[in-house]
Amino acid sequence: AQSVAQPEDQVNVAEGNPLTVKCTYSVSGNPYLFWYVQYPNRGLQFLLKYITGDNLVKGSYGFEAEFNKSQTSFHLKKPSALVSDSALYFCAVRDITVGTYKYIFGTGTRLKVLA
Amino acid sequence: SQTIHQWPATLVQPVGSPLSLECTVEGTSNPNLYWYRQAAGRGLQLLFYSVGIGQISSEVPQNLSASRPQDRQFILSSKKLLLSDSGFYLCAWTPGQLNTEAFFGQGTRLTVV
Repeated sequence: AQSVAQPEDQVNVAEGNPLTVKCTYSVSGNPYLFWYVQYPNRGLQFLLKYITGDNLVKGSYGFEAEFNKSQTSFHLKKPSALVSDSALYFCAVRDITVGTYKYIFGTGTRLKVLA
Repeated sequence: SQTIHQWPATLVQPVGSPLSLECTVEGTSNPNLYWYRQAAGRGLQLLFYSVGIGQISSEVPQNLSASRPQDRQFILSSKKLLLSDSGFYLCAWTPGQLNTEAFFGQGTRLTVV
């Protein structure tokens, strides 16, 4: 079965410092991985995805993610955090089991950027 | 461009009352459609998904049901709400291909009182 894990409930980082939000995955076959951000009382916004190709994926709002096959990880990163980056972040994997069409989400990591 | 509409944004309903939440997608055809529930601002629970008109897959047995009467319309319903049905409900769609992301509506905050 496909799954993702986000080991940190919350990450605190000072404004201007680099940030990392961790995600590990478990899939059979090639993974299709996604990162989303959610602001309070809003829907999820897509940030970036890894399908194939370069291990470093660039996305919206200056975010990037590094795909590491040997460590089965897909960590979200940003070189310099902004207070406005404070939100809930979700990692997701597409279930590629034949006949299913599901996206499986992690439990979310709350990012708090301190001024 | 494609857009997804979900309404209402907030809803307060008494226990035992019926529920109908609606989601529509514009600018595409034959989307895959999803209903998720988010409790306490954390993880997402997949409730239902649909790959075509009248085709509904239920992920979790519960007090809710879903219907897809038209290609781009997805409805979440309940005949009698329970307190435990409170939560943030999110509709999403995808074009269906493996390598595409899901696009979410703005959500409905349901409070059952």
